[in-house]
Amino acid sequence: KNEVEQSPQNLTAQEGEFITINCSYSVGISALHWLQQHPGGGIVSLFMLSSGKKKHGRLIATINIQEKHSSLHITASHPRDSAVYICAVARNNDMRFGAGTRLTVKP
Amino acid sequence: EAGVTQSPTHLIKTRGQQATLRCSPISGHTSVYWYQQALGLGLQFLLWYDEGEERNRGNFPPRFSGRQFPNYSSELNVNALELEDSALYLCASSSGTGGSSTDTQYFGPGTRLTVL
Repeated sequence: KNEVEQSPQNLTAQEGEFITINCSYSVGISALHWLQQHPGGGIVSLFMLSSGKKKHGRLIATINIQEKHSSLHITASHPRDSAVYICAVARNNDMRFGAGTRLTVKP
Repeated sequence: EAGVTQSPTHLIKTRGQQATLRCSPISGHTSVYWYQQALGLGLQFLLWYDEGEERNRGNFPPRFSGRQFPNYSSELNVNALELEDSALYLCASSSGTGGSSTDTQYFGPGTRLTVL
């Protein structure tokens, strides 16, 4: 079993829909990162969380340390949100990555 | 402000050769991280350098090595290339010294290494 599990693996949505991507992990962590990877490989760091909730524009990330679970929400989704979203956990200055969720938002 | 840059964009080598990949961090950033993204395997942590020192390395054989220069740029060297080393190699930088536990990382565009 991977230390970091994401669900779903693939997600297709219509423009305007509310999106939720989930991340569960099995080890103690010091922080959790959400990353966005566009076709071609470029990666953008969206959030780094160690507790609670963060919001940036239409993106919201939450983490529940006790339940070892984090969610990434996208409100009013747009085709430009189409990308792979990757959850990564930091522990002992190491990073372990989920397999990613491929999101496609159709106009 | 210029982002993280990596060179070359693409690199083609044959099995047994050596590859050198380069990364320039954002100005003012002292930490550089290297990651491998092989097809079907997802991202894996390779190395973390800060202030010229190797702070941590992932579960990779010793033929993966690197260094950080006084200007904080970094090189990743892969010796005795194997076919399974074909991957996208990503570099990231951060301004803090706390590593992935405390610092947001800014990623470069990657170097795609193909081993034939």
